[in-house]
Amino acid sequence: EDKVVQSPLSLVVHEGDTVTLNCSYEVTNFRSLLWYKQEKKAPTFLFMLTSSGIEKKSGRLSSILDKKELFSILNITATQTGDSAVYLCAVGNAGGTSYGKLTFGQGTILTVHP
Amino acid sequence: NAGVTQTPKFQVLKTGQSMTLQCAQDMNHNSMYWYRQDPGMGLRLIYYSASEGTTDKGEVPNGYNVSRLNKREFSLRLESAAPSQTSVYFCASNIGGTDTQYFGPGTRLTVL
Repeated sequence: EDKVVQSPLSLVVHEGDTVTLNCSYEVTNFRSLLWYKQEKKAPTFLFMLTSSGIEKKSGRLSSILDKKELFSILNITATQTGDSAVYLCAVGNAGGTSYGKLTFGQGTILTVHP
Repeated sequence: NAGVTQTPKFQVLKTGQSMTLQCAQDMNHNSMYWYRQDPGMGLRLIYYSASEGTTDKGEVPNGYNVSRLNKREFSLRLESAAPSQTSVYFCASNIGGTDTQYFGPGTRLTVL
């Protein structure tokens, strides 16, 4: 059974801090790792990583994948109150015939105080 | 271009009642998914449809049925609702050839 574990489960910081969110996984046939941001509505896509050691970056957010050690991190620098959300990690399994079948972690709740 | 839409946004049922959650996407995506989200448990896959005319069970299918009505629409039915089905339900879609999914706004369901 595929498994995705995120840590910490919750995190409280002040504006301007840098945070690192962790995601470790056990998947029989790894294909991709995805990060989503969920405010009080639908999860929105942030990054997808498929190759080890390559950093994906968008503004203050960046993510890297380590396929040897089976984990990924999501970094947010100079945090703002608008970064407050649940961050979800998901892994895509290459077994079977269809793309898009994801296993999600339980999420990290990030709260950024002014 | 509305993306993925879901109806209703909120619903309260009594134990034993039935209802259908509706989902539609206008992105011409091949695959569609139904998830439930419970506190502390992330998103769990209920059913998915890899393409029009096919459906498959996910991690937690018991108590649910689905219909892929056409390429745009994928509905989730609760035949006899139970309190354990109180949750937030998300529909998602995927174009195919990639794992990226796009989510609808969710339906908050309470079963009393």
